[in-house]
Amino acid sequence: EVQLVETGGGLIKPGESLILSCAASGFVASDNYVSWVRQAPGKGLEWVSVLYPPGNTYYADSVKGRFTISRDNSKNTIHLQMTNLRPEDTALYYCAGETGVVSSGAFDLWGQGTMVTVSS
Amino acid sequence: SSVLTQPPSVSVAPGDTARITCGGNYIGNKIVHWYQHKPGQAPLLVIYHDTDRPSGIPERFSASNSGNTATLTISRVEAGDEADYYCQVWDTSSVPPYVFGSGTRVTVL
Repeated sequence: EVQLVETGGGLIKPGESLILSCAASGFVASDNYVSWVRQAPGKGLEWVSVLYPPGNTYYADSVKGRFTISRDNSKNTIHLQMTNLRPEDTALYYCAGETGVVSSGAFDLWGQGTMVTVSS
Repeated sequence: SSVLTQPPSVSVAPGDTARITCGGNYIGNKIVHWYQHKPGQAPLLVIYHDTDRPSGIPERFSASNSGNTATLTISRVEAGDEADYYCQVWDTSSVPPYVFGSGTRVTVL
């Protein structure tokens, strides 16, 4: 079965760090575009970051300089390292993949999400 | 970066047609995708590349994109179509390359 499974969410204090992981199965993360997308409580979807197969990365302005996306090819896993977390980073974080079955730039594979709560 | 504007809500009776707009500067020159998002579930791609449906998406879902507006149309609306809907563009010449619309809550009366 093709799937993405996110882990690593939790309750964390402002200024602290957290690492989210997205484990892929039936889908080779290193061969495909993989993004993180988040949804704050009561808000819409917000794209956060992408890692392309060659290794280039992009970030939303709201997280640039604080978040880092990376890949562990041996574990077929994408990570999102989040530092200097702020209350406004509180959200459900989804891992979203582009399998190549449909158009580029379209997320046709999603995980179920992992919740991050930043609060003192 | 692009700003994609959607109406906050659309209400429609069962069997009627729902139209959800996504406004953005020259969006007709970009590729637009649409997602359905129900509470407690992951988002679901319902339209890609402006007008195409992924496998398993009913023909009731269609879309268009021209000028400054992209539109998702849901024909013969069913209770199960009640959800939030988001447009999204991928523009490799922009930073950030991915942008979601503000989202539209579709309520089936």
